[in-house]
Amino acid sequence: ETGVTQTPRHLVMGMTNKKSLKCEQHLGHNAMYWYKQSAKKPLELMFVYSLEERVENNSVPSRFSPECPNSSHLFLHLHTLQPEDSALYLCASSQDRRGGETQYFGPGTRLLVL
Amino acid sequence: DQQVKQNSPSLSVQEGRISILNCDYTNSMFDYFLWYKKYPAEGPTFLISISSIKDKNEDGRFTVFLNKSAKHLSLHIVPSQPGDSAVYFCAAISTGTASKLTFGTGTRLQVTL
Repeated sequence: ETGVTQTPRHLVMGMTNKKSLKCEQHLGHNAMYWYKQSAKKPLELMFVYSLEERVENNSVPSRFSPECPNSSHLFLHLHTLQPEDSALYLCASSQDRRGGETQYFGPGTRLLVL
Repeated sequence: DQQVKQNSPSLSVQEGRISILNCDYTNSMFDYFLWYKKYPAEGPTFLISISSIKDKNEDGRFTVFLNKSAKHLSLHIVPSQPGDSAVYFCAAISTGTASKLTFGTGTRLQVTL
């Protein structure tokens, strides 16, 4: 498989559930990102990993917990989410974190929190 | 405060005509700009970019124009095709600071027959 893949594509969870989103990139990139896209809002950067180290966390609530075990995989662990966390969660990767590097996106996981 | 703005949420253009999508930014530190295209149920895909040292970049039917003094860029699609119907996101970054990519809210383009 090529590019950036995300699983699951759709997820419905209750506020007390724990779930994880998975992202895998097959591009040999060194940087990976989690974005959140809510309706009628710009994509919001949540986390950035470069060479498996978290380099940026844009004040994301602790109920979102990222994990990057290696440069090809990125997880977003979810627990005790709120209905307002319902959104499209996009993973992206780029060759490195230098500004101007094109980011390649996965198809996203559409999350609904009940 | 939104640093990258796409003030038109939607645009409808007839097939064969020109589509012009606009984007304004407020941060004068931005020096690299990108356009992404997004189909339903897919992630955004990179379309075309421009560095602030240029005022125009062309790739086939797609041309991006940058007006630094007005802090404005536009994407021209000529001729428009039905397959171009998608949401288009403008994004900007300050390359010197390795800052995050800042996105606009997107413009939905509908190319009609």
